[in-house]
Parts: sequence; structure tokens; C-alpha cells
Amino acid sequence: GQNIDQPTEMTATEGAIVQINCTYQTSGFNGLFWYQQHAGEAPTFLSYNVLDGLEEKGRFSSFLSRSKGYSYLLLKELQMKDSASYLCAGLDSNYQLIWGAGTKLIIKP
Amino acid sequence: NAGVTQTPKFRVLKTGQSMTLLCAQDMNHEYMYWYRQDPGMGLRLIHYSVGEGTTAKGEVPDGYNVSRLKKQNFLLGLESAAPSQTSVYFCASSFLGLAGADTQYFGPGTRLTVL
Repeated sequence: GQNIDQPTEMTATEGAIVQINCTYQTSGFNGLFWYQQHAGEAPTFLSYNVLDGLEEKGRFSSFLSRSKGYSYLLLKELQMKDSASYLCAGLDSNYQLIWGAGTKLIIKP
Repeated sequence: NAGVTQTPKFRVLKTGQSMTLLCAQDMNHEYMYWYRQDPGMGLRLIHYSVGEGTTAKGEVPDGYNVSRLKKQNFLLGLESAAPSQTSVYFCASSFLGLAGADTQYFGPGTRLTVL
């Protein structure tokens, strides 16, 4: 079956760096998405990786290893507003998204 | 440009009642989706549409019906609500959808409670 695994909750300190891991098993693979979802709000797009390697976008970076079925989202210089859930989603061979349950990130001062 | 909007934002139903959730997008997207989000679970696809006049079943379609009479609107119906349908419902749209990898844009969600 298809599956996305990510930690349920993580805690980090303002100004620090945090890495949120995601492992995936999908029927075929057409890329991996990361979305951010603040409590009570809609998910919003953060990044998309389809090739191996690191993609940097400001304070956020996303990494993909297709051979390992693994991705991570790296958040630098953490700010209180980064407190949110981070959703990992794999795109299968039919271009349908398989969603993880999300990682709730708590930022402490 | 409002993006994706959903109506209503909140609703409480009694078991057996029916209702329709409305989703509208102004981005001229072909693909539209209805998801439900429950605590501790990933977003689950209920139904989706690849264009005006088309609908298809997703992962959890039972108890729901949909219609896409106009390109910009996607309606989700619950004919006889059950407590198991208590959830947050998100509508989303995308340009490419099943034709390729594309960002999905989400509406603000509808929080539905079935008593």
C-alpha cells in the first residue's frame, strides 16, 4: 500500500534550525510536496521536489532522496510564526497525492 | 482574485439531515478536489473533478455526492449525515492535476459537526 510517515510533533527554539523528516512509499513516484498549515487554516504550498537533492527557498529548504524514499524540510532562523503543521505529500504514478498526517511544530521563545 | 472560497465556514447537523458545501475558484483551474481532514490522519480525498461536467471517486467517497456543473464551482453533498462525517472539509483546485505535478490551492475549510 501507499504510505507517508512523518513525526507527529516536534519542538524547537526561536532562532534555531529544525529538520522535519518524511518517508514515503507510493505506487510510482512523481514528486514530493511540502505544505504548511497553521491551526484552523488551509494548507499552503511550500515546496515541490522531483529530483534528488536540496532545493533552497529563503529560510526553508527541502531535500529528496528517491533511492531512500526520504525527504526532509529544513527550517532555519525559526520564528514564532513558523509554529504550524507541516504536511508531506507524495505524488503517485497517477498524479494523485498521498498525504501524511502532518508534523506539528511548536516554537518556543 | 479571491482564490478558493468555501461556504459555509461552520455547520452543525443532526444525524440524517442533508446539506451541500459549496466551493468556488476564480483561477480558471480545471481540477478541483474535496478532502476531509481528521485529527491524526492525513488529508483524504473524497471526490475530485478533472473538468466541468466530470466527477470521480477518491479514497473515501461513501456517503458523499458531488457535482461540477460550472467550471468554477464544485459542490459536495451529504444526503444523510452521520456522526462519522464530523470533520473539517477542504476544497482545493489545481491547473494540471492528473496531467502533471501541480500545486493545489486550498479553500479555508468548512468545520462540520454531526450530532
